Amino acid sequence: AQSVTQLDSQVPVFEEAPVELRCNYSSSVSVYLFWYVQYPNQGLQLLLKYLSGSTLVESINGFEAEFNKSQTSFHLRKPSVHISDTAEYFCAAPSGGYQKVTFGTGTKLQVIP
Amino acid sequence: GAGVSQTPSNKVTEKGKYVELRCDPISGHTALYWYRQSLGQGPEFLIYFQGTGAADDSGLPNDRFFAVRPEGSVSTLKIQRTERGDSAVYLCASSSGSASYNEQFFGPGTRLTVL
Repeated sequence: AQSVTQLDSQVPVFEEAPVELRCNYSSSVSVYLFWYVQYPNQGLQLLLKYLSGSTLVESINGFEAEFNKSQTSFHLRKPSVHISDTAEYFCAAPSGGYQKVTFGTGTKLQVIP
Repeated sequence: GAGVSQTPSNKVTEKGKYVELRCDPISGHTALYWYRQSLGQGPEFLIYFQGTGAADDSGLPNDRFFAVRPEGSVSTLKIQRTERGDSAVYLCASSSGSASYNEQFFGPGTRLTVL
């Protein structure tokens, strides 16, 4: 079964600094991987997803993630964060052949002014 | 258009009581999912509907939990004889298809507190 691991529960970072949120997955077959974001008092939203093709995927608000098969990682990065990026980020992957999604435990990104 | 809605947004109940949580998916979405998110954890899969039928209920923790989707749209998650350990945020999501690559759209959740 697919599983995802997020080792960092909280990541504080100053505004305009770069950030990396780590995600590792376990699977012996082709994978789909997702990053979801949960802003304060809002529902989960899909941030970006890797399905196939280019290993680097981007979101509309400047985040990117790179699928690394050799390191079984799908880390999320942003070169310069904003206050509005303060949220909880979840790495996720489907299992069971369809959308039974397994989520990581989440990483709270706190952007400090 | 309207997103996934869930009612109530908050529910406080006493141990041993019965509760119903409602999910109204995006119109036309055939797949519907329930997740439970405990404090400090990521969402955990409970049950998946394709149309009216529960295609996978392997995540339901025990037989006190039951969910229905009688007309293939609105779904109700039912919890009998609630326990304090049932306290969590219950999330509903819907998608236009059941393939792994179909995006799931989440509702805001129902926060259940069992006293």
